[in-house]
Amino acid sequence: ILNVEQSPQSLHVQEGDSTNFTCSFPSSNFYALHWYRWETAKSPEALFVMTLNGDEKKKGRISATLNTKEGYSYLYIKGSQPEDSATYLCASYGGSQGNLIFGKGTKLSVKP
Amino acid sequence: DADVTQTPRNRITKTGKRIMLECSQTKGHDRMYWYRQDPGLGLRLIYYSFDVKDINKGEISDGYSVSRQAQAKFSLSLESAIPNQTALYFCATSFDSQETQYFGPGTRLLVL
Repeated sequence: ILNVEQSPQSLHVQEGDSTNFTCSFPSSNFYALHWYRWETAKSPEALFVMTLNGDEKKKGRISATLNTKEGYSYLYIKGSQPEDSATYLCASYGGSQGNLIFGKGTKLSVKP
Repeated sequence: DADVTQTPRNRITKTGKRIMLECSQTKGHDRMYWYRQDPGLGLRLIYYSFDVKDINKGEISDGYSVSRQAQAKFSLSLESAIPNQTALYFCATSFDSQETQYFGPGTRLLVL
């Protein structure tokens, strides 16, 4: 089974800090890399779907990069706000498996 | 109205009971998924369906069964519930395997 790893497991930052976390995945047979944002008591919501090596995507203060050759993706949050507090999940589509494999997530807490 | 709905939202049951969790979607997607979430373990795939006639086991299918009654409906059954099936269950849909998955609100199940 394809293994998707995320680090760190949790992160505490102050409001206004910029932060980033990592998702690593097997680079062989890569198809797509997904990032989701999951707030407490809600369901996961998609942030980005990335497919091309070198891809960069941005949504407001959140951006992500993708390196398919070395098997990692970074998620960046610029000027963190308390409302950014959530668990950020990445998932890689394993091609022949026909489904997404999720990492365990990075839980971000932003203190006012 | 929500595009992906799950019923019930919360359920308490006893060991050995049969229960069914239901998922409906109005997005017109062929692909539907059932995941469970346990603290510290992230989202794990139970079953997935590419269309009404195509159902596949996921990572942790033992103790579960599914039924795809129509394109819009995908039900998860626990034939004989056991306490370690206590978890948060999510249904999700997607247009195809590489596309964004849209999650339902989740069903919180407690097996006593």
